[in-house]
Amino acid sequence: ETGVTQTPRHLVMGMTNKKSLKCEQHLGHNAMYWYKQSAKKPLELMFVYNFKEQTENNSVPSRFSPECPNSSHLFLHLHTLQPEDSALYLCASSQVTYLNTEAFFGQGTRLTVV
Amino acid sequence: GQQVMQIPQYQHVQEGEDFTTYCNSSTTLSNIQWYKQRPGGHPVFLIQLVKSGEVKKQKRLTFQFGEAKKNSSLHITATQTTDVGTYFCAGHNAGNMLTFGGGTRLMVKP
Repeated sequence: ETGVTQTPRHLVMGMTNKKSLKCEQHLGHNAMYWYKQSAKKPLELMFVYNFKEQTENNSVPSRFSPECPNSSHLFLHLHTLQPEDSALYLCASSQVTYLNTEAFFGQGTRLTVV
Repeated sequence: GQQVMQIPQYQHVQEGEDFTTYCNSSTTLSNIQWYKQRPGGHPVFLIQLVKSGEVKKQKRLTFQFGEAKKNSSLHITATQTTDVGTYFCAGHNAGNMLTFGGGTRLMVKP
């Protein structure tokens, strides 16, 4: 148990569906991240939130919409996805300080778009 | 933007052989971190190196940070089947962004 919990663990959705991925961290960290992991790009940064403010959007298509209501919760809203969006979506958190401590990952959501 | 590259992408070794993965950044890093992801699992932090030329050891694993703080390596001595997984390096730049390399997938034949 890493202190970062992701739900659901598995998700199958059609291209016209709308779904959301949830991430919750119990570590008191001030930064949260969404990564996409696929065979083509093993760990691709999607979004970064520092102190609930989005600081990075790594050229992610608008069909992915992040939301960070507080420093402990992070969502990824999905709509009109494509089959190539099927991947493992990993959430991570860290305490961003001068010392740059490590990232703690959740177990991921395995997404299949049909 | 910052790019972090790892080689090799894949490595098959016989149990007992040594293994090394190399990490190179396009920009100078404030630190380098290494993670291990077991098959079916998620990345787990192994270690962080901060100083130029730093070397750290964890049992059979040896981590090095280059003098210019742009490259790093992970060496495993006498691999075991429990070492199987993908090893990622990740670097922080001055902007505090953590960028991961593409990973090296290690397979160990018993």
